[in-house]
Amino acid sequence: GENVEQHPSTLSVQEGDSAVIKCTYSDSASNYFPWYKQELGKRPQLIIDIRSNVGEKKDQRIAVTLNKTAKHFSLHITETQPEDSAVYFCAASTNYKLSFGAGTTVTVRA
Amino acid sequence: GAVVSQHPSWVICKSGTSVKIECRSLDFQATTMFWYRQFPKQSLMLMATSNEGSKATYEQGVEKDKFLINHASLTLSTLTVTSAHPEDSSFYICSARDLQGIADTQYFGPGTRLTVL
Repeated sequence: GENVEQHPSTLSVQEGDSAVIKCTYSDSASNYFPWYKQELGKRPQLIIDIRSNVGEKKDQRIAVTLNKTAKHFSLHITETQPEDSAVYFCAASTNYKLSFGAGTTVTVRA
Repeated sequence: GAVVSQHPSWVICKSGTSVKIECRSLDFQATTMFWYRQFPKQSLMLMATSNEGSKATYEQGVEKDKFLINHASLTLSTLTVTSAHPEDSSFYICSARDLQGIADTQYFGPGTRLTVL
């Protein structure tokens, strides 16, 4: 089955700086890669996604890149704000089933 | 749009009892719903895939007789934890695929916190 690895497990950044989270996947059949933000005790919230026919996607301060050859994808958050503090999960979809990375706890220092 | 609800939001039960959790898609039809379990400070682990009108497909290591799933309509799936034990205490989250929307996108429910005493 699909194996998704996510790094780093924790990330502390100064407000205004950028945050980068990286994920790798194992199944070349995976074709959809969403990123979720989860606050404590809440549901995962989709923040951005990318499909395998696209290399890069941006939505305001958030961007995602995908390298299919290397089987890795990354989340970039620019101009971080305190409200960006949360746990972020990457995921890879194969036949509509999502496999999640272990998560990255992001702390934005004011 | 694309709202998924879960009920109850939290439940405390005694060991040996059964607990039913409901997952509903409020404004769309969901051909497929998924059930996840999340332990504290861990990731979401897929337990099973639920398709309307057919048997659920369970992931390896998940006991189908312990975690009963019923998907009776395009808007409702239920997960019943039978003979619950303290090790079943966890955050259970469902998600749903929109029949009409982008097929890959899953919309998550708010989760159910289960505590077994």
